[in-house]
Amino acid sequence: DAGVIQSPRHEVTEMGQEVTLRCKPISGHNSLFWYRQTMMRGLELLIYFNNNVPIDDSGMPEDRFSAKMPNASFSTLKIQPSEPRDSAVYFCASSWSHNSYEQYFGPGTRLTVT
Amino acid sequence: AQTVTQSQPEMSVQEAETVTLSCTYDTSESDYYLFWYKQPPSRQMILVIRQEAYKQQNATENRFSVNFQKAAKSFSLKISDSQLGDAAMYFCAYRSPQNSNSGYALNFGKGTSLLVTP
Repeated sequence: DAGVIQSPRHEVTEMGQEVTLRCKPISGHNSLFWYRQTMMRGLELLIYFNNNVPIDDSGMPEDRFSAKMPNASFSTLKIQPSEPRDSAVYFCASSWSHNSYEQYFGPGTRLTVT
Repeated sequence: AQTVTQSQPEMSVQEAETVTLSCTYDTSESDYYLFWYKQPPSRQMILVIRQEAYKQQNATENRFSVNFQKAAKSFSLKISDSQLGDAAMYFCAYRSPQNSNSGYALNFGKGTSLLVTP
C-alpha cells in the first residue's frame, strides 16, 4: 500500500510568494495532521482534521497560513505571503482516529524561503 | 499542554552494544500513549515502538524495548545490539487519550541524535 504522499519534496521560493504544500493520506484513514519541523522549535502541530473537518488549528502561526481538506484523500497547506522564517520541513501524517493511535508520516516537504 | 523532555541532545554507541535514550513527560492525564519515532537522514519519520499507559508490561519490538515508569513519568528507549542503520534522530512523543480535549496530535520532544560507531 502507498504511504502518505506529499508534494513537492522540496520547494524554494522568494519572500512574498504563495506556497502550496499538498498531502494525500493513506486510503481509509480519517485523521490528517500537518506538522512543522525547525531546529529552534522542533516538531510542532499546525492543524489537524478529522473526517475532513478542522478540529484544532491553534498551532497555525498566523493568518498567512491556511489549510484545507476538501475530501478524504487530499489536503493542502498554503502560505501567503511566505517569509524566510517559514523555512522548515512540513510533514503530513494520517491515522485512523477511533481505534488506532499510530500516525503515519509522509516524507515531508523541505521549504526554503529566500 | 503536555510537555515532553529529552535531556540528551546526542548519544553515541558502538556497534553491537546497548544504548538507552531518556524521555520524561509532564501530564495530569491518567491514560495516554507514548511513542518513539526514528528520523534517519532521509527525514522520514518512522514509528519504532509504542506504549499504552494502562499497560504495565513494557513494549518490545525486536531489538527495541522501553522502560515505562508511569509514576516517574519516564519512558526510555533501549536499543540492543546496535547497528549502523540505527543512527538517526530519535523523538519521544506523547498523545492524549481518545476523548481528551487535547485531541489526537502528538507532542514531541526535541530529539536525541544517536551516532553508531563501528
